Amino acid sequence: QKEVEQNSGPLSVPEGAIASLNCTYSDRGSQSFFWYRQYSGKSPELIMFIYSNGDKEDGRFTAQLNKASQYVSLLIRDSQPSDSATYLCAVRRGSTLGRLYFGRGTQLTVWP
Amino acid sequence: KAGVTQTPRYLIKTRGQQVTLSCSPISGHRSVSWYQQTPGQGLQFLFEYFSETQRNKGNFPGRFSGRQFSNSRSEMNVSTLELGDSALYLCASSSAPGGTDTQYFGPGTRLTVL
Repeated sequence: QKEVEQNSGPLSVPEGAIASLNCTYSDRGSQSFFWYRQYSGKSPELIMFIYSNGDKEDGRFTAQLNKASQYVSLLIRDSQPSDSATYLCAVRRGSTLGRLYFGRGTQLTVWP
Repeated sequence: KAGVTQTPRYLIKTRGQQVTLSCSPISGHRSVSWYQQTPGQGLQFLFEYFSETQRNKGNFPGRFSGRQFSNSRSEMNVSTLELGDSALYLCASSSAPGGTDTQYFGPGTRLTVL
């Protein structure tokens, strides 16, 4: 079982729609959860982090965490073509500080 | 505040050679982590340094090594390059001990091994 799994995609949504990206993790000791966006040929860019159960909103982005289900998601409201990228879910376990475990990423395309 | 910088940005080497990559963290950040990214394996953790000490190491062969200097700059070295070492090498810096804080990535070094 992989440490972090993401819905494989690719995901394609029309402009203005809500894009939903999902991630599950295997270690119940995981403490911190991150979403990175990576444009083709670029390095990952941090979008959001979440530590506690529930929702966290930042502009058009909402991260949701459910530790009981070992599930974290990212919602992008009012999706724009500029949101087209690969979204990486990353998890930090309590026992391995300084190391992030990454999912394989979900490729999102927002078409006008 | 300047971001994470990595040099060189692109590198072409041949099998058997060795290579050294450099990473300068965000000013004030003392933790540096290194990752390898390939289309087949995704992002994989190499190692992490804090205060010149390696705190964590991933599952890579001994050909991959690193170090950190007193000014928090870090280098990684790959000896006896193999074709499979072709990848984007990313470093990330964090302000908290052991990288407990958010990690910010540099632009990466694209290594091609011929």
